[in-house]
Amino acid sequence: GENVGLHLPTLSVQEGDNSIINCAYSNSASDYFIWYKQESGKGPQFIIDIRSNMDKRQGQRVTVLLNKTVKHLSLQIAATQPGDSAVYFCAERYSGGYQKVTFGTGTKLQVIP
Amino acid sequence: DGGITQSPKYLFRKEGQNVTLSCEQNLNHDAMYWYRQDPGQGLRLIYYSQIVNDFQKGDIAEGYSVSREKKESFPLTVTSAQKNPTAFYLCASSLPRDVLTFGAGSRLTVL
Repeated sequence: GENVGLHLPTLSVQEGDNSIINCAYSNSASDYFIWYKQESGKGPQFIIDIRSNMDKRQGQRVTVLLNKTVKHLSLQIAATQPGDSAVYFCAERYSGGYQKVTFGTGTKLQVIP
Repeated sequence: DGGITQSPKYLFRKEGQNVTLSCEQNLNHDAMYWYRQDPGQGLRLIYYSQIVNDFQKGDIAEGYSVSREKKESFPLTVTSAQKNPTAFYLCASSLPRDVLTFGAGSRLTVL
């Protein structure tokens, strides 16, 4: 079946360094990808998205890269801060009568002060 | 401020009891969703609704029921038929083909 997964369950980075969180997807029909941040005990918050006709999109301190050839998605966080500590989920969506969103298992980012 | 409100934040249930989780949104979103999250895992879709008075089963609908009588409201009932209901439940809403906005979640514990 289709699934979205993450390579690393936990990532520890030093404050000020850049973070890279990776995600693999298997549904070639997916046309939209989203990264969410979830802090402990809270609901996921939207960070950044990218459509399948793009390979890179930048936000404030975050960049998402999409490699459709190898079905890989990554989230880069520049100058990681303690407030970035959270679980990050990638999600994919494919068009249809209902645009179902499938979530990966998440990567926990720990920022070391 | 617009947003999604879930209540209660914490809920305890005895075995054999039905419980209902509330989800209200004032974002004027057409679609609403319920997800279940277990520790260390991703989100799994329980039910979704694209319009009022219509809803469909997600991947893990067994033991759950929903209603969508109003655009703003999408309550989820966890029935006694759900064998392992202890989890974190997340409600979300969206416009068509738009990103999902999530509530703060409800944590259900079975005693």
